[in-house]
Amino acid sequence: GAVVSQHPSWVICKSGTSVKIECRSLDFQATTMFWYRQFPKQSLMLMATSNEGSKATYEQGVEKDKFLINHASLTLSTLTVTSAHPEDSSFYICSARLAGGEIREQFFGPGTRLTVL
Amino acid sequence: GQNIDQPTEMTATEGAIVQINCTYQTSGFNGLFWYQQHAGEAPTFLSYNVLDGLEEKGRFSSFLSRSKGYSYLLLKELQMKDSASYLCAVLDSNYQLIWGAGTKLIIKP
Repeated sequence: GAVVSQHPSWVICKSGTSVKIECRSLDFQATTMFWYRQFPKQSLMLMATSNEGSKATYEQGVEKDKFLINHASLTLSTLTVTSAHPEDSSFYICSARLAGGEIREQFFGPGTRLTVL
Repeated sequence: GQNIDQPTEMTATEGAIVQINCTYQTSGFNGLFWYQQHAGEAPTFLSYNVLDGLEEKGRFSSFLSRSKGYSYLLLKELQMKDSASYLCAVLDSNYQLIWGAGTKLIIKP
């Protein structure tokens, strides 16, 4: 099956620093990638939809200047949490939609746990 | 608004059968997914239903009734490793996944 990787798996940073998370589709091309955030004991919350070569579409309540998304190629999307604060500590998960595939084809990365001190 | 309801938590015994229900109200419908998520890990795909009826896959089965806005995930011959959260998600008219809050399943010996 299609594989999506994320890097790093976990990161601890100081308040005020920026953190970049990479999402890669390893064996397929993804026209669309999704970024989710999940707080403990809660469900996934879609943050933004990222299409290759265009600006990301952010969900209501998600600050686009704080969560910078770049989808420069069909296999890589990055999420940068700028000026991170403790309340940004969460589990960030990306998923990728297979280019040309059925709409239901969406594959999840293993997630990145961010802890901001 | 869009809404997906599933029980918060369920408990079952190893070797038994458990049914996790999901009801939904969404703007359009392009299929319903069930995912399994172990603590600290990303969701893994279990099933996809777009037509009414039962889809069986090994110990897991998923049922859909579009007219009732209802689905269930049936887990048979429960094993301890089945302890996880089970997420119901609907693909709406914009092909966006709408997620339920998840059902935490606790398996007891």
